[in-house]
Parts: sequence; C-alpha cells; structure tokens
Amino acid sequence: AQSVTQLGSHVSVSEGALVLLRCNYSSSVPPYLFWYVQYPNQGLQLLLKYTSAATLVKGINGFEAEFKKSETSFHLTKPSAHMSDAAEYFCAVSANAGGTSYGKLTFGQGTILTVHP
Amino acid sequence: DADVTQTPRNRITKTGKRIMLECSQTKGHDRMYWYRQDPGLGLRLIYYSFDVKDINKGEISDGYSVSRQAQAKFSLSLESAIPNQTALYFCATKRGGSTGELFFGEGSRLTVL
Repeated sequence: AQSVTQLGSHVSVSEGALVLLRCNYSSSVPPYLFWYVQYPNQGLQLLLKYTSAATLVKGINGFEAEFKKSETSFHLTKPSAHMSDAAEYFCAVSANAGGTSYGKLTFGQGTILTVHP
Repeated sequence: DADVTQTPRNRITKTGKRIMLECSQTKGHDRMYWYRQDPGLGLRLIYYSFDVKDINKGEISDGYSVSRQAQAKFSLSLESAIPNQTALYFCATKRGGSTGELFFGEGSRLTVL
C-alpha cells in the first residue's frame, strides 16, 4: 500500500521568494516519486522524478526535490519564484517492486501555488 | 497535435444518461489509465489497461466501465450518470517497463445535472 500527503492545500509566495512545497509518502516497498504540475485548463506534466538514483533531483523550470528516506519526504523547492510558476502541484508515488512499475501512481491532494508581484 | 487526445473536452449531461469519454494516443504506449480529479482529493485511479486484453479496476471503479478498442484507444463509460460523477477526467499513458512516468491528456470536464 502507498499514500501521499501534501502539507498545505494553498501556498502563497512573493515573486523572487523561495518556493517550498511539502510532500510526505508512505510505501511498503522502495518508491518512485514524482512531482507533476497542472496549469489552468491543462493536463498534468512531469516536473521531476526520483527513481532510486541521486537523492537530489533536478527538474524543469528550476525546480528540484530531495528524497529523504529517513523522513519519508520528497519536498519540492525553487530558489526564486516567478509569476509563471503559479499552478497546482501534485506529488505522486508508485511502487518500485523488482525493477518494474505498473504505473499505478498514487497522487497527493495537490497544492495550489500563488505568486504575488 | 497532442500525443494523448481526449474527447469531448467538456460535457454537460443529465442524471441517468449514458456518457462515453474517449481517449486516443499516438505515443505507442501499451499502458493506458483513466483518472478522476476532484478539488482537494487529487487524482484517483478508475481503471487501467496493460494491453488490449488486460483491463483492471482501480480504486474507484464503481459506476464506470471501460473498453480498450485498440492499443491506441481507451474509452471510459458512465452507464447511468449521477451528479457525484461530476469531475475532471484524465486519460494517461505509459510505456511498459519504464520508471513510471505517465503522460496525460488535457482532460474532459463532465457535469452531471
């Protein structure tokens, strides 16, 4: 069984400020972890993913996330927010079982990021 | 053109009507999925298919059915729509054996009155 908890359904930051979106997971087997972004009226697109290689993962648009097994966390950060970062962000987990994945991603509830000028 | 195409993009219907949402993909992926998105609940898996002959229920399959007509086509049906099926529905695809990345369509917004 696996689950994801995103702390904070809404996060608001000023342009240029640090972005921190929190994600904690639960998984009975080693996980694959993902962050997806959803812009208004669009589908989800992948920001970055952790697949048991480097624990610090860099993604698109300056985002990065660090896998911390001891804390069961995979928080998303960006040093300096831009207005175009305003969107909804989803953390997701899937099972890394024997090197295969059925693609059954379990998603968190989502965090809406607002960026103020 | 989008790699994963959903039709219709928006649909308003009445309680009790039968509705079909269609998904087609040009990515050549063998695995296809239907998710439902509700505010504050994230995305929940309805059905998934590993190939044309393999269909599996997800966590919220009650009230839904699917058909995998071809490797590239996966449709979702609501036999008798009810208001709490009002939601945004996403189709997604994945290559078998990869590290779990899903590719999403742009969504189908369904309103059941």
